[in-house]
Amino acid sequence: QKEVEQNSGPLSVPEGAIASLNCTYSDRGSQSFFWYRQYSGKSPELIMSIYSNGDKEDGRFTAQLNKASQYVSLLIRDSQPSDSATYLCAVIGGSGNTGKLIFGQGTTLQVKP
Amino acid sequence: KAGVTQTPRYLIKTRGQQVTLSCSPISGHRSVSWYQQTPGQGLQFLFEYFSETQRNKGNFPGRFSGRQFSNSRSEMNVSTLELGDSALYLCASSEQGRETQYFGPGTRLLVL
Repeated sequence: QKEVEQNSGPLSVPEGAIASLNCTYSDRGSQSFFWYRQYSGKSPELIMSIYSNGDKEDGRFTAQLNKASQYVSLLIRDSQPSDSATYLCAVIGGSGNTGKLIFGQGTTLQVKP
Repeated sequence: KAGVTQTPRYLIKTRGQQVTLSCSPISGHRSVSWYQQTPGQGLQFLFEYFSETQRNKGNFPGRFSGRQFSNSRSEMNVSTLELGDSALYLCASSEQGRETQYFGPGTRLLVL
């Protein structure tokens, strides 16, 4: 079992729709969770961090965390073609994992005009 | 503030050579982490430095090493390069006590 799992996609949504990206993790001691966006040929760019169960909203983005189910998701409302990218879920595990982000393989999102 | 900078941006080496990559963190950030990204393995953690000390290390062979200087700048070195070392090498910095990491543009290494 991989430490952080994501569906590789591609996930295709029409412009203006809600895109839902999901991620599961295996280390129950994990405390910190991140979503990064990576455009082709570029480096990862931080979208959001989330540390507590529940929802966290930032503009068109909402991150959701459920530690009991070991599940993190990212919702993108009013999707735009410029949102087309690979979305990476990253987790910092339990104690002893300072500075060590564990990444999923990423989900490719395609937003069709 | 200026972002994380990495030099060089592109590098071509041959098998058996060694390479040194440099990373300058965001001003005030004292933690630097290094990652390797390949199409097959994705993003994998190499090591993390804080105050010139390696605090964490990933599962890479000893050919991969790093260091951090007193000004928080960091370098990583790969000796005896192999074809499989071709990858995008990314560094990321974070503030003391915070886990959010900000990535530099990366160094793309091609080993021939």
